[in-house]
Amino acid sequence: RKEVEQDPGPFNVPEGATVAFNCTYSNSASQSFFWYRQDCRKEPKLLMSVYSSGNEDGRFTAQLNRASQYISLLIRDSKLSDSATYLCVVNMLNDYKLSFGAGTTVTVRA
Amino acid sequence: NAGVTQTPKFQVLKTGQSMTLQCAQDMNHNSMYWYRQDPGMGLRLIYYSASEGTTDKGEVPNGYNVSRLNKREFSLRLESAAPSQTSVYFCASSEPGRQPQHFGDGTRLSIL
Repeated sequence: RKEVEQDPGPFNVPEGATVAFNCTYSNSASQSFFWYRQDCRKEPKLLMSVYSSGNEDGRFTAQLNRASQYISLLIRDSKLSDSATYLCVVNMLNDYKLSFGAGTTVTVRA
Repeated sequence: NAGVTQTPKFQVLKTGQSMTLQCAQDMNHNSMYWYRQDPGMGLRLIYYSASEGTTDKGEVPNGYNVSRLNKREFSLRLESAAPSQTSVYFCASSEPGRQPQHFGDGTRLSIL
């Protein structure tokens, strides 16, 4: 079983729509959670950290459910520029190694 | 401010050839990492260096060696390239135990 699993999508949504997707992780000892964004043929870049109580950054909302071992990302009022692959990333406390999901592809159409 | 710089950006090798991928960071980070990314697999850690003078194996170290030359530079070497090593390679750096990891823009390596 993979440590981090994501629905690969693609999620095709019109501009202005809301899109949400989840990521599950297998290790209950995981402590840190992140969403990275990766544009086609580019390097991953941190989108946002995910905190226990949930957090927002503009149009992006991240949630953590420790009991069910998943994190979610919701994008409101989608823009064309939101088209990318979103990587779910998990880390254990004081561990240098990150575990990456394979990514969820989102395509926003005009 | 370059961040993490990888060279080369593209390379084609023949099976059995060797090469070294170079990575340098100018953020004074202690930790550096090498990943490979294959379709449908996500990024997989090859080797990492928690601090200058130390290196450790990651998830997929076979067929690779690394050198932490100094605090800035962390190289990845393929001694005898195999077609299974065709991939996109990313170098990253961070402060230990703190995020985010900052990535270079990748090396696209094809082995024929």
